Amino acid sequence: EIVMTQSPATLSVSPGDRATLSCRASQSISNKLAWYQQKPGQAPRLLIYGASTRATGIPARFSGSGSGTDFTLTISSLQSEDFAVYYCQQYNNWPPCSFGQGTKLEIK
Amino acid sequence: EVQLLESGGGLVKPGGSLRLSCAASGFTFSNAWMNWVRQAPGKGLEWVGRFKGKADGGAIDYAAPVKDRFTISRDDSKNTLFLQMNSLKIEDTAVYYCTTEGYSEIWGYDFWGQGTVVTVSS
Repeated sequence: EIVMTQSPATLSVSPGDRATLSCRASQSISNKLAWYQQKPGQAPRLLIYGASTRATGIPARFSGSGSGTDFTLTISSLQSEDFAVYYCQQYNNWPPCSFGQGTKLEIK
Repeated sequence: EVQLLESGGGLVKPGGSLRLSCAASGFTFSNAWMNWVRQAPGKGLEWVGRFKGKADGGAIDYAAPVKDRFTISRDDSKNTLFLQMNSLKIEDTAVYYCTTEGYSEIWGYDFWGQGTVVTVSS
């Protein structure tokens, strides 16, 4: 089973600044990576798939990059609504698909 | 508008059973790949299982922790996905979400229900 490791566990950033979240796979997953955002009390929302393709309706300030084992989610200018928990998910070698443990993005 | 509505959660004793439902609307359910994902209190997301759409053969896959205890089924005539959970353990306590897979996007869990809470406790 592929293990996904996200870092950092918590990231403190000021509104308007850039946030960079990392996700590493225990083996190569090509570009088969998705990112989700989850706010308290809500279901997750798909942000990115294919490592870099934004899902419908996702603002351009969200961008994804990477391939192989190392991936990054960048939020270029943080808005108040962006503070949430972010999960990466691999779908290259599954079942099972696997999620990272999450990065909590909090207001600095 | 795509909607997924889970129901059937509740409090159950260890070793007990529970059946969750996910009522779908706003899309062609029979061809949709559907998943169950769970989230234990204060924890991350965990994939539970998947039921492929009819056009793709309808195969079912399960995560190792639930295999042989949980059964995913669907009633395409009623646009409903089910999760039969037997021999429940305390570690099965979680919010259970149903999701579509790759319905509106090339891939991804693109639509989610609001979740139903399952608590396993004596």
